Amino acid sequence: KAGVTQTPRYLIKTRGQQVTLSCSPISGHRSVSWYQQTPGQGLQFLFEYFSETQRNKGNFPGRFSGRQFSNSRSEMNVSTLELGDSALYLCASSLSSRKGLENNEQFFGPGTRLTVL
Amino acid sequence: DAKTTQPPSMDCAEGRAANLPCNHSTISGNEYVYWYRQIHSQGPQYIIHGLKNNETNEMASLIITEDRKSSTLILPHATLRDTAVYYCIVRVGYNFNKFYFGSGTKLNVKP
Repeated sequence: KAGVTQTPRYLIKTRGQQVTLSCSPISGHRSVSWYQQTPGQGLQFLFEYFSETQRNKGNFPGRFSGRQFSNSRSEMNVSTLELGDSALYLCASSLSSRKGLENNEQFFGPGTRLTVL
Repeated sequence: DAKTTQPPSMDCAEGRAANLPCNHSTISGNEYVYWYRQIHSQGPQYIIHGLKNNETNEMASLIITEDRKSSTLILPHATLRDTAVYYCIVRVGYNFNKFYFGSGTKLNVKP
């Protein structure tokens, strides 16, 4: 099975721009979660999508948004970029159930490294 | 939110067992303990998870105390490739796939 893929792997943007990152989960996985990793804050949960619906959200401003398509692929968008948005953005997929009673592991992709200048 | 506490770094000699501790004193009865590791800014890699009983797989063993307030990840024969940041995570009960990563432990395996 192919793993979680993320595109692009590296991205450079300037303040005020917006960016869209893409994540393709492992085949058959319906849950996709997004995380931000910075040296100062570590790994922080952004949001989770399941069956095209956001069912969990972390403590990030509304500039951070996401969506999931019917094939489970997911995108996240950051608008009005700030210098502090420079980070490694990680996507993770998981087998999941609608009930949400979970004990399945998440499989992470390699991440997209975003640099905001 | 359940929190975890881990030492910031540990050293281990190659070939010896690495024992990585984690405190999770506020864990609830239905919350699982997960361990992941991250090698040099790659995506985190799943290692093992458990609820109450000790668990073992091909990578490691997980020992959870009877009161579930702490756990230890054991890498039985550490190699240089095991050098990484190890994260102990408490999965929030029924809150779907929401993981809270702590600061992790940087394990340095030395020859």
